Amino acid sequence: GDSVTQMEGPVTLSEEAFLTINCTYTATGYPSLFWYVQYPGEGLQLLLKATKADDKGSNKGFEATYRKETTSFHLEKGSVQVSDSAVYFCALTHLSGGYNKLIFGAGTRLAVHP
Amino acid sequence: EAQVTQNPRYLITVTGKKLTVTCSQNMNHEYMSWYRQDPGLGLRQIYYSMNVEVTDKGDVPEGYKVSRKEKRNFPLILESPSPNQTSLYFCASSPLGGGLPPGTQYFGPGTRLTVL
Repeated sequence: GDSVTQMEGPVTLSEEAFLTINCTYTATGYPSLFWYVQYPGEGLQLLLKATKADDKGSNKGFEATYRKETTSFHLEKGSVQVSDSAVYFCALTHLSGGYNKLIFGAGTRLAVHP
Repeated sequence: EAQVTQNPRYLITVTGKKLTVTCSQNMNHEYMSWYRQDPGLGLRQIYYSMNVEVTDKGDVPEGYKVSRKEKRNFPLILESPSPNQTSLYFCASSPLGGGLPPGTQYFGPGTRLTVL
């Protein structure tokens, strides 16, 4: 079945460092891909999305490109801030029973230190 | 303010004592869903609803019930909780259609449940 694999955390970085969180997927058809972020004590928020191959999603300085050839959707940011400390979830949609269900990866915790 | 609310936010209970976690959204969304979040497993779907009186099982429905009598509310019921249901629970909603990419969901703040 469809699945999402993320790099294990936690990831610990200093402020202004470069961030990459790897995400690969297995899916039939052409899923849409998402990154959701969960700040401490809060629910998940949509960070960015890409709906077809070679699309680049971007938001708040984060970027991810939908790479069908490598089935990947890696999250990147050029200069992280302490406020980026959160758990990041990669996800895809799966058409099941006539609707688009979200399938999540395990999540990657990011801690950014001053 | 557009939001999904859940109550309670924290709950400690004992095995076998029935409980209900409420979920409400004010965005007139058709689709609502419950997830549980466990370390190393991400979020897994428990139940979902496409509209009033239309519900179906997700990936991990055992031990849970839901109802959808009103469009805005989607309560999660644990009739006889067990320790393996100790988890962080999220409710989510989204419109069906309306121009948003499929998979764009709005999440509540979460309910941390401990079953002793």
